Amino acid sequence: DTAVSQTPKYLVTQMGNDKSIKCEQNLGHDTMYWYKQDSKKFLKIMFSYNNKELIINETVPNRFSPKSPDKAHLNLHINSLELGDSAVYFCASSPRGGPTEAFFGQGTRLTVV
Amino acid sequence: GNSVTQMEGPVTLSEEAFLTINCTYTATGYPSLFWYVQYPGEGLQLLLKATKADDKGSNKGFEATYRKETTSFHLEKGSVQVSDSAVYFCALSDTNAGKSTFGDGTTLTVKP
Repeated sequence: DTAVSQTPKYLVTQMGNDKSIKCEQNLGHDTMYWYKQDSKKFLKIMFSYNNKELIINETVPNRFSPKSPDKAHLNLHINSLELGDSAVYFCASSPRGGPTEAFFGQGTRLTVV
Repeated sequence: GNSVTQMEGPVTLSEEAFLTINCTYTATGYPSLFWYVQYPGEGLQLLLKATKADDKGSNKGFEATYRKETTSFHLEKGSVQVSDSAVYFCALSDTNAGKSTFGDGTTLTVKP
């Protein structure tokens, strides 16, 4: 009964490839996020969707494209992968409205070689 | 805009030592404050939270008090265990921002 699940957990790929990471939440939340965590553990928000609508897009290269087919899913597609894209990517969700905590997935460790 | 500043790490302590990780924030609204913990190889999980001034959040022996006058939310534990070794993130969330703002994380290592 995983609340926020993302796949795959590990992803190793070559430079220039295109890859996708999938995320699903079964909490009934309206808002979903993608975060990037670098090797120093710094956490940076990339995107936020509220009920399938993009509400936050933080200075992310346009090679990164989120897609939300419904409010329970938020996928991340990355084109033309670069070495600097290597990181751990976290999906998260939170209830709509009010200041609330976020619920995180287990992360996807992306390694670009 | 909102920001969170937390004590730089890494922090290394012996088992049963007292822990303090400092966190201060800047926010334009009336935020809720959180501490998250990330164990090795896992995602972040909520450790404790406080939603208004003078509230104290507590969980698993950890405590933090929402101090509006000093804009702080310091994390404390009286006696740490090896199993507390993790990365700790201070965060805030308010309605206007539509997202959580995280500190840079503090890595704690507890040695037996």
